[in-house]
Amino acid sequence: AQSVTQLGSHVSVSEGALVLLRCNYSSSVPPYLFWYVQYPNQGLQLLLKYTSAATLVKGINGFEAEFKKSETSFHLTKPSAHMSDAAEYFCAVSDPGNDMRFGAGTRLTVKP
Amino acid sequence: EPEVTQTPSHQVTQMGQEVILRCVPISNHLYFYWYRQILGQKVEFLVSFYNNEISEKSEIFDDQFSVERPDGSNFTLKIRSTKLEDSAMYFCASRGTVGYEQYFGPGTRLTVT
Repeated sequence: AQSVTQLGSHVSVSEGALVLLRCNYSSSVPPYLFWYVQYPNQGLQLLLKYTSAATLVKGINGFEAEFKKSETSFHLTKPSAHMSDAAEYFCAVSDPGNDMRFGAGTRLTVKP
Repeated sequence: EPEVTQTPSHQVTQMGQEVILRCVPISNHLYFYWYRQILGQKVEFLVSFYNNEISEKSEIFDDQFSVERPDGSNFTLKIRSTKLEDSAMYFCASRGTVGYEQYFGPGTRLTVT
């Protein structure tokens, strides 16, 4: 069964600094991978997705993620953090034909 | 832009009561889901629904839970006899036939007292 592990339940960066949120996946077949963001008291919003096309995926709000099969990773990055990026970020995996499973989430704090 | 909607936004109920949480998925989507998120914890899969039947359910989705698509637009989650530990945010999601991304509603906060 597919699963994801998010390393670090809480990441804190300064405004303008690089954001790196880590996600490793486990899947028996080539997976589809997703990053979702959850702002306080809101639902989950799709940031970006990997579906076996380009390994570097660009999403909304300046975020991107790179699929690395050799490392079974799909880390999320943003070159320069904004205060508005403070939120909970969830990595998710879906094998084709199966349903989505989420990681435990990483809370991103951005310091002024 | 089409979106998933959920009602109510907040439901308070007494232990042992039945609740029905309602969702209107995106209109041309065919796959529907319910998830639960206990305060401060991860998003947990409850059930998926396709072609008028459950396609997968988690161990959380026991006999107290049921889902239904009573008409062409609504998708409901019923909890027959609520327990204190059912207090959580419940998210509905839907997806189409192209791509595997799911689109989430804003959630219903269920408080069981």
